[in-house]
Amino acid sequence: DTGVSQDPRHKITKRGQNVTFRCDPISEHNRLYWYRQTLGQGPEFLTYFQNEAQLEKSRLLSDRFSAERPKGSFSTLEIQRTEQGDSAMYLCASSSGTGTYNEQFFGPGTRLTVL
Amino acid sequence: AQSVTQLDSHVSVSEGTPVLLRCNYSSSYSPSLFWYVQHPNKGLQLLLKYTSAATLVKGINGFEAEFKKSETSFHLTKPSAHMSDAAEYFCVVSPLEGNTGKLIFGQGTTLQVKP
Repeated sequence: DTGVSQDPRHKITKRGQNVTFRCDPISEHNRLYWYRQTLGQGPEFLTYFQNEAQLEKSRLLSDRFSAERPKGSFSTLEIQRTEQGDSAMYLCASSSGTGTYNEQFFGPGTRLTVL
Repeated sequence: AQSVTQLDSHVSVSEGTPVLLRCNYSSSYSPSLFWYVQHPNKGLQLLLKYTSAATLVKGINGFEAEFKKSETSFHLTKPSAHMSDAAEYFCVVSPLEGNTGKLIFGQGTTLQVKP
């Protein structure tokens, strides 16, 4: 088991461009989460998948953001028309089973810089 | 709504001395509480979790935390700090409603360990 992986690790883009990030969870983990972490702050919840179903989205996730998990395995997070305020670390986590006590395993994150 | 407040943004200790990182939570019922650690350029790692089975929770690397309902606190302690403990620590709550397992992070406490 190689853990949660994210690609790319770093992304620099110009304002107005679209970007897409990928997350590969630990195999057979049915739950997948996306968080955003800005400098000096704790991560903030963005969205959650149970298998392929997106079951919750934070109000932080504006219409420019979309996330998918088409086959219940890897997930993508797309940001359209990026803004400088989107600059942050985007973290993916996965967990198994149900309930609120299951440990979430985090990936290394994708650091986005919008110029 | 559930939330956590980390009372210190920065804590500095000498190697070999005790560590105390303070966290208060807000919840209308018994929450699920966690401590995560984030080392520079590494992913978030679970230190310990409170699952209501015992109020004193032991975690990895000699850390422990005590759940005190009367004080709504979940402080993290370690008897003797090591240089490798220098990192960012997050107190985390997971709301029970919706059973999604999403995590709500505190602002973080930076632990500095001086030789």
